[in-house]
Amino acid sequence: AQKVTQAQTEISVVEKEDVTLDCVYETRDTTYYLFWYKQPPSGELVFLIRRNSFDEQNEISGRYSWNFQKSTSSFNFTITASQVVDSAVYFCALSGLTGGGNKLTFGTGTQLKVEL
Amino acid sequence: DTGVSQDPRHKITKRGQNVTFRCDPISEHNRLYWYRQTLGQGPEFLTYFQNEAQLEKSRLLSDRFSAERPKGSFSTLEIQRTEQGDSAMYLCASSLPGLVTGELFFGEGSRLTVL
Repeated sequence: AQKVTQAQTEISVVEKEDVTLDCVYETRDTTYYLFWYKQPPSGELVFLIRRNSFDEQNEISGRYSWNFQKSTSSFNFTITASQVVDSAVYFCALSGLTGGGNKLTFGTGTQLKVEL
Repeated sequence: DTGVSQDPRHKITKRGQNVTFRCDPISEHNRLYWYRQTLGQGPEFLTYFQNEAQLEKSRLLSDRFSAERPKGSFSTLEIQRTEQGDSAMYLCASSLPGLVTGELFFGEGSRLTVL
């Protein structure tokens, strides 16, 4: 069975601070994919990033960066110079190859509040 | 608007009634997914279609739930004899065919409240 744990339920930061959202996953699959999604107050989940299990290279995309460590089963997500518009619930998710590869197992989410 | 649309956005019903939700995916997407999200939780997979074929169903989908995608375009999710535990946000998503992308395009959801 697959499991995603987001231990941080809520994080509050002041605008321009950097913030890291933690994600730990469990899977028995050797091939799997990890994702981060954002859910703003409107409710519509928005895809942010994807990583496959063969690629541990960490990357930066604009103000977003992620740290994938297979050895600790972690896939942490960092927002640099946070902005009020970043306020949302962020979900980490995991999929194997079933469901067309898009059968996602989500964590419980981390509510990020960015204040002025 | 060319995104995923869901209707109705909010449904309030009494226990025991039947409800139906509709999802219109992005037109070129042949895969369609239903997820359920309860308060404070992440979405949970319910079922998925590739074109009109329902390829996988979660054990969460009891016999009271049925989903269809008759012509491979829009989909409906029907809940019969609703129970209070069915109260949740029902999310529809679609994706492109082909390789795994994980990039699901979600609608804004249909919130069900069962009194």
